[in-house]
Amino acid sequence: GDSVTQMEGPVTLSEEAFLTINCTYTATGYPSLFWYVQYPGEGLQLLLKATKADDKGSNKGFEATYRKETTSFHLEKGSVQVSDSAVYFCALSDLAQKLVFGQGTRLTINP
Amino acid sequence: DAGITQSPRYKITETGRQVTLMCHQTWSHSYMFWYRQDLGHGLRLIYYSAAADITDKGEVPDGYVVSRSKTENFPLTLESATRSQTSVYFCASTDGSRGSRKTQYFGPGTRLLVL
Repeated sequence: GDSVTQMEGPVTLSEEAFLTINCTYTATGYPSLFWYVQYPGEGLQLLLKATKADDKGSNKGFEATYRKETTSFHLEKGSVQVSDSAVYFCALSDLAQKLVFGQGTRLTINP
Repeated sequence: DAGITQSPRYKITETGRQVTLMCHQTWSHSYMFWYRQDLGHGLRLIYYSAAADITDKGEVPDGYVVSRSKTENFPLTLESATRSQTSVYFCASTDGSRGSRKTQYFGPGTRLLVL
């Protein structure tokens, strides 16, 4: 079945550092790809998404590009802030609208 | 308030008891989902529903029952709770038809502890 593998955490960075969280997927079809973010004590919020190959999703300074040739959707941000501390989930969506999630990566940004 | 809500937010129960977690959305979304979140597993799909009176199993359905008599509600019942069902439960919803791959919107979660 479909699966998502993302970089294991936790990840700790200093403010203004460059961030990359790796995500690769396995899918039989042609999925849409998502990054969700979960702040402490809250539900998941959509951070960005991409629906076809070479699409770049972006939001709040975060970016990810749908790479079909490498089956990847890595999350990047050029300069992280303390407020970016959260758990980040990579996910894919199949035709039945079901989401398949990676394990999640806990990110901590120190001032 | 508009959106997706879950109740209760926190629940402590004992092994063998029946527990029902409620989910309500105000958008009239056709699809609704139940996920559980456990350390090391991310979120896993328990059950989902494409419309009222249509439900289907996800990855980890054993020990759970769902119903959807109204579009806006999607309760999840643990018929006889076990310690392994201690988890955080998230409800989600989305609109669109099969294949549309729209964004799912998540509720705030219910933290369940089974003693």
